[in-house]
Amino acid sequence: DAGITQSPRYKITETGRQVTLMCHQTWSHSYMFWYRQDLGHGLRLIYYSAAADITDKGEVPDGYVVSRSKTENFPLTLESATRSQTSVYFCASSEDYSPYGYTFGSGTRLTVV
Amino acid sequence: GQQLNQSPQSMFIQEGEDVSMNCTSSSIFNTWLWYKQDPGEGPVLLIALYKAGELTSNGRLTAQFGITRKDSFLNISASIPSDVGIYFCAGQFNAGNNRKLIWGLGTSLAVNP
Repeated sequence: DAGITQSPRYKITETGRQVTLMCHQTWSHSYMFWYRQDLGHGLRLIYYSAAADITDKGEVPDGYVVSRSKTENFPLTLESATRSQTSVYFCASSEDYSPYGYTFGSGTRLTVV
Repeated sequence: GQQLNQSPQSMFIQEGEDVSMNCTSSSIFNTWLWYKQDPGEGPVLLIALYKAGELTSNGRLTAQFGITRKDSFLNISASIPSDVGIYFCAGQFNAGNNRKLIWGLGTSLAVNP
């Protein structure tokens, strides 16, 4: 299926565990982004990537790691999950110089207990 | 991080009423975008604006790019129950290859049938 897909859709994990959220897009968009959405904070950028093997920190990168070995995949890893990382995570992608902003995935709801 | 001032924060209206929301920024933008987020989904682009003073419609939705390039508004006419959701504004200053968006905190819209 064409588009941007995130997995899993829901995840419950324990404090201190490592968890990886997956993001896959089929358009070969250069740019990919990870956001978290929390009540009262809107969408906050965690990390972004301008191309394969190029990543950069966003607004709230602490506690997260990303990689981008292939253009189509942009996994987000929480190395040691904390309760404050309970959130809804959205992945998005964008073409170079696209006038159309981003296309978002459906999100992953992560609960850290 | 930088955020846009989006108002109102929430609205509760009767079906058939018109809705207006706006965003202001201390910085100028080259692009203003309006997204809608349905419950449990990622944001979806509604309208994109590229020129100061531009007025663009998409069905019952109308958005304008402020003449100062520091503000934008979105109007929804004759609201219906499926308009329920969170509406986000986003601004972009396309300096070189910068694809990052600056986001408002969202306007939560509830429609009473």
